Amino acid sequence: SQTIHQWPATLVQPVGSPLSLECTVEGTSNPNLYWYRQAAGRGLQLLFYSVGIGQISSEVPQNLSASRPQDRQFILSSKKLLLSDSGFYLCAWGAGTNYLTDTQYFGPGTRLTVL
Amino acid sequence: AQSVTQLGSHVSVSEGALVLLRCNYSSSVPPYLFWYVQYPNQGLQLLLKYTSAATLVKGINGFEAEFKKSETSFHLTKPSAHMSDAAEYFCAVIAYNNNDMRFGAGTRLTVKP
Repeated sequence: SQTIHQWPATLVQPVGSPLSLECTVEGTSNPNLYWYRQAAGRGLQLLFYSVGIGQISSEVPQNLSASRPQDRQFILSSKKLLLSDSGFYLCAWGAGTNYLTDTQYFGPGTRLTVL
Repeated sequence: AQSVTQLGSHVSVSEGALVLLRCNYSSSVPPYLFWYVQYPNQGLQLLLKYTSAATLVKGINGFEAEFKKSETSFHLTKPSAHMSDAAEYFCAVIAYNNNDMRFGAGTRLTVKP
């Protein structure tokens, strides 16, 4: 069966520090991968999606970036965190041919607090 | 661009009562619509989705939603609430001709014994 992992589960970082959040999927090949952010009191926002190794599409301009160095690994990064980067980050995967209507399976999330 | 509005950030029902969680969307083109559930301390889970097939969509755990184009709505219902339904529910929309997926702010469902 397929599983999705995210780490760390909780992270507290100072403003200006770098960020690296990792997401890995097991039990499937060539998944579509997604990064979402849920800021306090707001809905989920799609940040990045990837349909294959090295293919990253960005939904919103920001100081975050994403990379997919391996088929089942998706990394969310920042060179310098801002206070506004605080939130709950969710990774998801899907296996459909149309990434827009994928049934998406979400990881447990990472709660990031920037101080 | 499309958007989603979930009416009521918090809904409270008694066990056995009807659950109705409201979702209205705005989209200039036919949308795809989704309902997700997030149980405490867990990730998001897809409940159901509408992708231009039947307008009444049945999902897991006894939930269903009806796409009403005239009302631009996709409300989630369940005839009889269980205590285990207590969670946060998110409605989401994608317009079929772009890749912009938008989630609502969520509705927290409380079920009273």
